[in-house]
Amino acid sequence: GQNIDQPTEMTATEGAIVQINCTYQTSGFNGLFWYQQHAGEAPTFLSYNVLDGLEEKGRFSSFLSRSKGYSYLLLKELQMKDSASYLCAAMDSNYQLIWGAGTKLIIKP
Amino acid sequence: IAGITQAPTSQILAAGRRMTLRCTQDMRHNAMYWYRQDLGLGLRLIHYSNTAGTTGKGEVPDGYSVSRANTDDFPLTLASAVPSQTSVYFCASSDGRDNNEQFFGPGTRLTVL
Repeated sequence: GQNIDQPTEMTATEGAIVQINCTYQTSGFNGLFWYQQHAGEAPTFLSYNVLDGLEEKGRFSSFLSRSKGYSYLLLKELQMKDSASYLCAAMDSNYQLIWGAGTKLIIKP
Repeated sequence: IAGITQAPTSQILAAGRRMTLRCTQDMRHNAMYWYRQDLGLGLRLIHYSNTAGTTGKGEVPDGYSVSRANTDDFPLTLASAVPSQTSVYFCASSDGRDNNEQFFGPGTRLTVL
């Protein structure tokens, strides 16, 4: 079956660094997405990885290991506005996204 | 309009009633999707359309139908609503090229009593 696993909730301190992990198992693989979703709002795109390695975009970076079925999202210099849910999604062989349940990130001052 | 819009924003519906959720995009994207999001679960795909005139079933299609008469509109219909269809519904679109990034509408919060 197809499955995405990520932690339910994480807590971090303003100004710190946090890493949100995601493991995936899909029928075929066409890339790994990370989305941010603030409470009561729609998901918004953060990153896309299809090749192994680290993609950096400002304070956010995303890493992919296809052989391990593993990705992480790294958030640096955390700000209070980063409090949100972070959704991991893998694209399968039919180009459909399989979504994790999301990781709720709580930032404390 | 810019991007993708959904209507209504929220709705309370009696069980057994018919309801259509509307979704319109102005980005000329080929692909459109309907998801439901429930607490503790990931987004689940209900139906999708890769291009105007075609539709396909997702993970949880039962009780829902869609149509794609043109590029811009992708309505979702609940023929006879049941309480288990209480959820937040998101419409999304993508151009189907490059990284297949999906753009989401603001969502419709539906409560079936």
